[in-house]
Amino acid sequence: SQELEQSPQSLIVQEGKNLTINCTSSKTLYGLYWYKQKYGEGLIFLMMLQKGGEEKSHEKITAKLDEKKQQSSLHITASQPSHAGIYLCGADKAAGNKLTFGGGTRVLVKP
Amino acid sequence: SQTIHQWPATLVQPVGSPLSLECTVEGTSNPNLYWYRQAAGRGLQLLFYSVGIGQISSEVPQNLSASRPQDRQFILSSKKLLLSDSGFYLCAWSQIHGYTFGSGTRLTVV
Repeated sequence: SQELEQSPQSLIVQEGKNLTINCTSSKTLYGLYWYKQKYGEGLIFLMMLQKGGEEKSHEKITAKLDEKKQQSSLHITASQPSHAGIYLCGADKAAGNKLTFGGGTRVLVKP
Repeated sequence: SQTIHQWPATLVQPVGSPLSLECTVEGTSNPNLYWYRQAAGRGLQLLFYSVGIGQISSEVPQNLSASRPQDRQFILSSKKLLLSDSGFYLCAWSQIHGYTFGSGTRLTVV
């Protein structure tokens, strides 16, 4: 089965600083998904990457997928307290087929 | 529009009691359905997925079972809960355009 490794497991950043979360797969991915979750709540979809070398941005969040489609990063610029939460990367083997997740990264933004 | 309903939102159950969590989907047909569990502060572990009525695949050995009696209904069950069954349970559905998650059920086994 496909395994996703996320790093770091947790992250504390000062408000206004940048942060990066990494997600690495042991196998070539079909689709790579990034979600955000506040504790005890459902998932908020952030972005989906499918093409090698693809990069997407939304507000202050940028996600990239490497050319080999085995590694993705999520970068937040000038972090704010609203960026706090658990960030999850997920990947599937085919379109809409069996999404599995990494271990998550807990982000805390200190004001 | 396409929606997913999951209930209850929270549940406290004693050890050894049965469990039934229900998930229903509206606005789509023949979706893939999933049950995930999240331990405190951790990632989501895929427990079961289903590609059709009566078709259930189990991803990890456990004390739980799943059933899909109707196309848009997915049920997570246990005959006797263990303390280790505590966690946050999420239901999801997918088709080729992506995945939609329910709001989750927080289960505490005491």
